[in-house]
Amino acid sequence: EVQLVESGGGLVQPGGSLRLSCAASGFTVSGNYMSWVRQAPGKGLELVSVIYSGATTYFADSVKGRFTISRDISKNTLSLQMNSLRGEDTAVYFCARGSGYPGPKGYYYYMDVWGKGTTVTVSS
Amino acid sequence: QSVLTQPPSVSGAPGQRVTISCTGSSSNIGAGYDVHWYQQLPGTAPKLLMYGNSNRPSGVPDRFSGSKSGTSASLAITGLQAEDEADYYCQSYDSSLSGGVFGGGTKLTVL
Repeated sequence: EVQLVESGGGLVQPGGSLRLSCAASGFTVSGNYMSWVRQAPGKGLELVSVIYSGATTYFADSVKGRFTISRDISKNTLSLQMNSLRGEDTAVYFCARGSGYPGPKGYYYYMDVWGKGTTVTVSS
Repeated sequence: QSVLTQPPSVSGAPGQRVTISCTGSSSNIGAGYDVHWYQQLPGTAPKLLMYGNSNRPSGVPDRFSGSKSGTSASLAITGLQAEDEADYYCQSYDSSLSGGVFGGGTKLTVL
C-alpha cells in the first residue's frame, strides 16, 4: 500500500529548530517529486518546499534560508529541517508525493498521495 | 492573499449543482499551466480530486468535473450529497514564483 507517515512535530520556542520526517511505503522517495505543504490553524494550504527527483529544490519565500529539505534513500524518508522558527510557522505540516506529466510548459505536478500531517506549534 | 483566487464559500441543496471558480493570472493559469483540485474533509488531509484540469483519479465519482479557460478554472459538482461538504482547493504552477501555488480554498456547505 502506498502510504506516507509524518513525525517530528511538537511545541518549540521562537527561534528554535525542529526536524520533521516523512516515512514512505509502497514507493521510493528517491524517484519522485516530494513536497511539504502546511496549513496554519483555520487557514488554507501553502506549499512550503519541494525536492524533485533530480534533487532540485524549491522553497517558499516565507521559509527560504531557514528550512532545508532532504531525502534519506536508505530509510526511504523525506525530511524537513526547520530553523529559526517563528510564530507564523505554526501549522499542520503534510508530506505529499507528486506525480507529473509532460505539458506545453514543461513537467506539471500534482500531489497524489498525502500523509495525515504532523502539528508544529511555535510559542513561548 | 493567495495567488489563485477562490470564493470563500459556496452552498447548495442535496441534488443540486454547484461550481467553484479558481481565478489566476498570466503567470499561472493564463500561461498555460494546468489546474489540479483537492478535497479536504473536516479534520483530514487533502485528497486529490482532479488533475490536469479535468482528469479524475480512480475512485472519484463522475459527479465531479473540471474545466479551464483563459486565466480561470472551475470545479463542478452535480447531484450534491451531504458527504461532499468539505473544503476545496485549486492548485497550479506560477512562473513568477517558480513554484506551485494553491488557491485560498472554498468551503462547500450542503444545506
